[in-house]
Amino acid sequence: AQSVAQPEDQVNVAEGNPLTVKCTYSVSGNPYLFWYVQYPNRGLQFLLKYITGDNLVKGSYGFEAEFNKSQTSFHLKKPSALVSDSALYFCAVRVYSNYQLIWGAGTKLIIKP
Amino acid sequence: ETGVTQTPRHLVMGMTNKKSLKCEQHLGHNAMYWYKQSAKKPLELMFVYSLEERVENNSVPSRFSPECPNSSHLFLHLHTLQPEDSALYLCASSQDGLARHEQYFGPGTRLTVT
Repeated sequence: AQSVAQPEDQVNVAEGNPLTVKCTYSVSGNPYLFWYVQYPNRGLQFLLKYITGDNLVKGSYGFEAEFNKSQTSFHLKKPSALVSDSALYFCAVRVYSNYQLIWGAGTKLIIKP
Repeated sequence: ETGVTQTPRHLVMGMTNKKSLKCEQHLGHNAMYWYKQSAKKPLELMFVYSLEERVENNSVPSRFSPECPNSSHLFLHLHTLQPEDSALYLCASSQDGLARHEQYFGPGTRLTVT
């Protein structure tokens, strides 16, 4: 069965420190991988995606993610966290010719001043 | 801000009511989606429309009925709902139904069934 795992319900980071939000996936076929962010009482916002090519992709608000095929991972990273980065982060994967995005359960990121 | 609007933002309805959720996208996209978001659960895809044709129906109960009159508008008609249907309902759109395109979400409708 196809699945996405975000192993941490919550990640706490001090402002200015690097942050990592983890995501692993299990799909048959080549994956298209996405990260979205959700602020309180808002819909989801697209951050970045991996389709093909360079394994390191850069996205909005200084975020980046690295695709690791051997480890089936797509971890979200940022070199220096901001308090305003505090939100709920979702990883999702989709395969070619399939309309359905497979979603992780989300990771709550808390950045403390 | 994302080009996808949803109305109403909040809705409280009894189990015998009939109501509709509306979604409109201003992005020129050809695919639209309804999702259900419940606390501490992954997003659940309910319906997908591509070029106004329903292409995905994820075993959603018949008390939820979608309608896509054109590529810019999507409705979710609700009737005889259950309390467990209380959730945030999100609409999204994408350039087309291809897997490589990201989805743009509206702010959602917070539904409470009493």
